[in-house]
Amino acid sequence: DAGVTQSPTHLIKTRGQQVTLRCSPISGHKSVSWYQQVLGQGPQFIFQYYEKEERGRGNFPDRFSARQFPNYSSELNVNALLLGDSALYLCASRDRGEEKLFFGSGTQLSVL
Amino acid sequence: AQSVTQPDIHITVSEGASLELRCNYSYGATPYLFWYVQSPGQGLQLLLKYFSGDTLVQGIKGFEAEFKRSQSSFNLRKPSVHWSDAAEYFCAVGPNNAGNMLTFGGGTRLMVKP
Repeated sequence: DAGVTQSPTHLIKTRGQQVTLRCSPISGHKSVSWYQQVLGQGPQFIFQYYEKEERGRGNFPDRFSARQFPNYSSELNVNALLLGDSALYLCASRDRGEEKLFFGSGTQLSVL
Repeated sequence: AQSVTQPDIHITVSEGASLELRCNYSYGATPYLFWYVQSPGQGLQLLLKYFSGDTLVQGIKGFEAEFKRSQSSFNLRKPSVHWSDAAEYFCAVGPNNAGNMLTFGGGTRLMVKP
């Protein structure tokens, strides 16, 4: 079975632009979450979605938004990019009733 | 607010030597505790988790961790390190109904000398 897949793997944007990151969870997993990992730091929780509804949001500005589709894939959108948004964005999925998260390899976003 | 501290940013050990990575957490209730490993260019892989019961938990790749409530610690150990263990290790904590909302520590980068 395929693991959590994220696209693209790398992305370069300039300040002020908008970006969309995509995530496909493991088949059967209905819960998806997003994390931001700045270089040299641990991942920081951004969003959790379950059954297409937002179930949790971390301490991130409204420039960050996400959604989950009927097939449980998810998109993370970031508007008005800042240099500080440069990071590895990780998506994770989880099976219902399980606490184990399965992480994708991430999307490396560079904002110039 | 919950938080996780990993006091050691970098650790270097010789291959075959024992390893202990420290993790201290702050959380108001009984936490769910996790250790994840991240190799360069990769996502995170779960090594082990603690929810309740026996305070010594076994994980994959020969790792174990001990939960000490009195010290608010969840240290990761391995009796004999292999060169392939070189990676970044993250301790994480979440509430009982965490779902996916984990709080991670800053990580410890492990280097293994031949």
